[in-house]
Amino acid sequence: DAKTTQPNSMESNEEEPVHLPCNHSTISGTDYIHWYRQLPSQGPEYVIHGLTSNVNNRMASLAIAEDRKSSTLILHRATLRDAAVYYCILRAQGGSEKLVFGKGTKLTVNP
Amino acid sequence: ETGVTQSPTHLIKTRGQQVTLRCSSQSGHNTVSWYQQALGQGPQFIFQYYREEENGRGNFPPRFSGLQFPNYSSELNVNALELDDSALYLCASSSGGGRWETQYFGPGTRLLVL
Repeated sequence: DAKTTQPNSMESNEEEPVHLPCNHSTISGTDYIHWYRQLPSQGPEYVIHGLTSNVNNRMASLAIAEDRKSSTLILHRATLRDAAVYYCILRAQGGSEKLVFGKGTKLTVNP
Repeated sequence: ETGVTQSPTHLIKTRGQQVTLRCSSQSGHNTVSWYQQALGQGPQFIFQYYREEENGRGNFPPRFSGLQFPNYSSELNVNALELDDSALYLCASSSGGGRWETQYFGPGTRLLVL
């Protein structure tokens, strides 16, 4: 499984944008970049995914580097509810059935 | 639409005992995956069931076993419990064999082995 590297923790202020980085230098051409997050005392939840182009949904935006060796999850206006552990995961289309989680980035949002 | 549910929420067992954890998948989903999450770590894949058959297994010993029922609910059984089995056990449901689709997680069962 291709490996991802994320900072252990990040801090943000409420209503400010947050940029959560992920490095995946060994990504292959068929690997999609997925993001999940885990709120306190809950199971992980899907946030967003993409292959090459930047993606937007109601929760976040995903910016993917041109060489695909890194990506950034963007929360446009952080709220206290966004405090969670964010996981960057690579999934090959039609490949493994499992999600391979690292330790993720723990995001703290200050009021 | 009902989400993924798990029972019990918390459980305390002693070393050597056996435990059964249960998961009800989201409506319309035929695939259930189980993960173990130790404190401070990301979830680790145990195995997946698709249409009542095991569809992939992680690096866990045979004392971790499972079942999926015709209604697609699932059980995780752990025999001969060890102290290191203390963890949050997460169940996730998806459709179509889980090879691509989003996985929807339940809140987990917290197991403590004394």
